[in-house]
Amino acid sequence: DTAVSQTPKYLVTQMGNDKSIKCEQNLGHDTMYWYKQDSKKFLKIMFSYNNKELIINETVPNRFSPKSPDKAHLNLHINSLELGDSAVYFCASSPGTSGGPQETQYFGPGTRLLVL
Amino acid sequence: KNEVEQSPQNLTAQEGEFITINCSYSVGISALHWLQQHPGGGIVSLFMLSSGKKKHGRLIATINIQEKHSSLHITASHPRDSAVYICAVSLAGNLIFGKGTKLSVKP
Repeated sequence: DTAVSQTPKYLVTQMGNDKSIKCEQNLGHDTMYWYKQDSKKFLKIMFSYNNKELIINETVPNRFSPKSPDKAHLNLHINSLELGDSAVYFCASSPGTSGGPQETQYFGPGTRLLVL
Repeated sequence: KNEVEQSPQNLTAQEGEFITINCSYSVGISALHWLQQHPGGGIVSLFMLSSGKKKHGRLIATINIQEKHSSLHITASHPRDSAVYICAVSLAGNLIFGKGTKLSVKP
């Protein structure tokens, strides 16, 4: 049973398109995250979200938006894709008892996005 | 300058060696994470600590809050420990990552 799952695993698309990456966790956690790992393997947090609060990293372009239909899902929508958006995107979750990334993170397998 | 610095950047060891990876940070934090990224890309959380020392199997993590420094130790290293080890600090709702230490353990 996969704890944190992401779909698709790979995504190849053209510049200018709009795409979504889905994330689901079956751990009963209250907080979910999106991270971006660039071509140099450097990780950066993009969003953290629970049912009370969305925290956005100020460096994230507003073309990126998280959407949460329920607390087990946090999908990432990207509008007007650019070449520089090519990266691996990781979803993660944490229990949410103390809130935020000071809790142990449980990562999904990653989605490799390539923008042509 | 990155707020989280790891050393070394790359590390090659022989099977059985004791390994230490260091992490220094420049700001006050609420917690520090050690993560392991496998060659296939998957990320696993090894430790989350805010003080003292934690041990899990052959892995030991320590943190010195006053010196803003943490170490990850691997005892009796094994080729399956080959991975990238990433330090990250929690700060004001954000998680700031180091650039990782690539470890290769040779049989």
